[in-house]
Amino acid sequence: DAMVIQNPRYQVTQFGKPVTLSCSQTLNHNVMYWYQQKSSQAPKLLFHYYDKDFNNEADTPDNFQSRRPNTSFCFLDIRSPGLGDTAMYLCATSGIGTDGNQPQHFGDGTRLSIL
Amino acid sequence: GEDVEQSLFLSVREGDSSVINCTYTDSSSTYLYWYKQEPGAGLQLLTYIFSNMDMKQDQRLTVLLNKKDKHLSLRIADTQTGDSAIYFCAATGGSYIPTFGRGTSLIVHP
Repeated sequence: DAMVIQNPRYQVTQFGKPVTLSCSQTLNHNVMYWYQQKSSQAPKLLFHYYDKDFNNEADTPDNFQSRRPNTSFCFLDIRSPGLGDTAMYLCATSGIGTDGNQPQHFGDGTRLSIL
Repeated sequence: GEDVEQSLFLSVREGDSSVINCTYTDSSSTYLYWYKQEPGAGLQLLTYIFSNMDMKQDQRLTVLLNKKDKHLSLRIADTQTGDSAIYFCAATGGSYIPTFGRGTSLIVHP
């Protein structure tokens, strides 16, 4: 009963070739997040959507963009991947409301390799 | 902003208890979380505690919160080899977005 689903699980792409990672959720959560995680490091927040409002972290490279066409789906686009973008990309969701905040729920991640 | 610190490694013998420690800096943190990450997988929520609680127990897991010292711990009773993973502590600070520690790698040996 996967609730946050990321596709693909593994992606290999060439230096400079655009790539899109996808995330879908069945939790009806209003917030969706994208994290980048490199080996032996904490997840690093790239950006998140609070409903339709996009929130970019100050140090997220311009190369990284996101789309959220509806509540259930969110995409991470990397326009011109560099070797340093090789990492695990994690999608997470949470429900934020007046009755309290729910913990983040994570997908299994997409392991991206840039060659 | 919030800063979360954890020790990087912990090694225990199977059947013993494991205690993973975490400190945070923002006293306004409302929610404190423990996540588990197995190799090649995402983060799995193990448990969480509200700042108005001192302790929470869930089967083999016990979370202790010392708000005065801004210290959080996760105790795993009867640690099994399947518990080997990286454990992340996270705190919300004054935001709904948690800040993660670098993770503690738990190694369980026979």
